[in-house]
Amino acid sequence: EAQVTQNPRYLITVTGKKLTVTCSQNMNHEYMSWYRQDPGLGLRQIYYSMNVEVTDKGDVPEGYKVSRKEKRNFPLILESPSPNQTSLYFCASGLTGANTEAFFGQGTRLTVV
Amino acid sequence: KQEVTQIPAALSVPEGENLVLNCSFTDSAIYNLQWFRQDPGKGLTSLLLIQSSQREQTSGRLNASLDKSSGRSTLYIAASQPGDSATYLCAVEGFNKFYFGSGTKLNVKP
Repeated sequence: EAQVTQNPRYLITVTGKKLTVTCSQNMNHEYMSWYRQDPGLGLRQIYYSMNVEVTDKGDVPEGYKVSRKEKRNFPLILESPSPNQTSLYFCASGLTGANTEAFFGQGTRLTVV
Repeated sequence: KQEVTQIPAALSVPEGENLVLNCSFTDSAIYNLQWFRQDPGKGLTSLLLIQSSQREQTSGRLNASLDKSSGRSTLYIAASQPGDSATYLCAVEGFNKFYFGSGTKLNVKP
């Protein structure tokens, strides 16, 4: 089954404790991206990747890092999480970065206390 | 910058009604438009994808239209059912990113 898998689904952590949210897709997609969803602000792009070793900032990259060492994986790294990073996070993938259907993961609800 | 607006923000209808959800966007230079469904605590499920060269797409009881020149899309749901209750998101694709509306929260009453 074609899918985008995120882990964990739920996470509560403390300020400053480094964490990684994993994202994996099984569709051989070149394009992957991370979004965060906040009430009243909708979904906003954090980072995206056009292919292995190619990443770029989205609209709200501050406080986040990503890497793309393999085509199927695109982890989101929070080096020093803060409470304003409490949000619902979605990973997405697509065949390319333009004119392509996007597939989204189930989301990761992160709470930073 | 692209801005996507969805109206209404919330909608409550009795079962069986036909309904229309609206989406407007400010920049007509889009690659495609995609409608998603989001259930509470769950991810985004793709409903329909309309390429920029297309005018509409249909899937079962759903029909989506796209008018690029006026910056509008509508999602038509025929014979609504309680299982259709969810938040519906419209997203337009620019280069390397999607721009999302804030969604329409639909409640279909039995």
